[in-house]
Order: sequence, then C-alpha cells, then structure tokens
Amino acid sequence: AQKITQTQPGMFVQEKEAVTLDCTYDTSDQSYGLFWYKQPSSGEMIFLIYQGSYDEQNATEGRYSLNFQKARKSANLVISASQLGDSAMYFCAMREGQGNQFYFGTGTSLTVIP
Amino acid sequence: DSGVTQTPKHLITATGQRVTLRCSPRSGDLSVYWYQQSLDQGLQFLIQYYNGEERAKGNILERFSAQQFPDLHSELNLSSLELGDSALYFCASSRGGLAAYEQYFGPGTRLTVT
Repeated sequence: AQKITQTQPGMFVQEKEAVTLDCTYDTSDQSYGLFWYKQPSSGEMIFLIYQGSYDEQNATEGRYSLNFQKARKSANLVISASQLGDSAMYFCAMREGQGNQFYFGTGTSLTVIP
Repeated sequence: DSGVTQTPKHLITATGQRVTLRCSPRSGDLSVYWYQQSLDQGLQFLIQYYNGEERAKGNILERFSAQQFPDLHSELNLSSLELGDSALYFCASSRGGLAAYEQYFGPGTRLTVT
C-alpha cells in the first residue's frame, strides 16, 4: 500500500479563492509527522507546513493550513486567497515513527487562474 | 534562498561512470538528507546523516553511498551509473536529528546519464 496518496494530479483555482489539496496517509505508528512542500517550476522544494501526530490543533502558516483528520488519516492542505505565485507542484510527505523514514506522495499540480 | 548549497547544479556523464554530489547544510543544521526525484519514481528518500553518523536509510541502491564530514557537509557518491539514475538529486538539512520537521532543501543537482 502507498504510504502517501495524493489523488489529484492537477487542480485549478481562481485567483483569490481558497483551494484544498488532498492527502491521505497510511501508517500503524502512533508517532509520525506530516509535511507539505511546494515545488515551483524552477525546481526547488519549499517547506510549507508541518503537523505532528500528537498535535491537537491544526497547523497554520500564513495562508496555509493543514486540515488534520487523524481518524481518517488525512492531512489536506488548504491554501486561502490563492495567488498566481501559488502555481506549483505540491507534495505531501510523512515521516514515519522514530526511524526518520520519509515518504512523499506523487504530487498535485496547482494552477491559479487570473 | 534556503541556505543549503549543492554542487554541481548540472552533471552529464556516461553509463558506468562514478560521480560525487556535494551538499553544504544551513549554518547550524546537523542533519543532512538526500533525495532522488525522477519522473517515473517521484521523490524518494535515500539516506539521512546526523552529525556525521548515518541515521536513517531509505531506497538507496548499493551502488550509491554517502557520508557526512566533520564540517557537516555531505557527499553522495553514485557509481556504475545507469540511464535510470538520471534524476534531480536534492539535499536537505535540518537542525535536529530525530523528528526534525523543518527540512530546508537545496536547489538540487540534475544528473543526466547518457
């Protein structure tokens, strides 16, 4: 089974609208971390947001928030007030347990339409 | 600019050859992670070093090896190169060794094997 599943290969959103990028994960560990990264066309990977498995509140970083639903094993990224510069690939990732193994999803390509 | 540097930016070599990719972490970061991003495999975690010691191993081939030096820079050695090794190789760094959540990625080294 895939550790990280991103079911939306491509998404479009109107500028200034909010968008949700889906991510589900699979682990039997109690301790794990969930991450979102952005990869613009220039290629660099940019850390966006982190959620620990024991964190009770959803993580937020500026316009980014992580909708963490532990029972459903989902960690969706919400981008509010989309900007043209948000057009990029977005990767969900998980650090599993204490072993520091990292797993990445296949990514979602987000296009912001003016 | 993440503060992580990688050299070279591009590398073109022939099958069977050996190459060394270099990474300097952000100042103060003790952990270095290596990732491979290819079109067919997505982003794969290869290996992590923390303060000179190997901390976690992912999908790293036996033909590949890495080390972290006392000054904390790291090198990834790829030998007996095959066409399928063509990919973007990222290095990332973080402050902690365990459960580190903020990984800062370098710009990557694009390896082309011909």
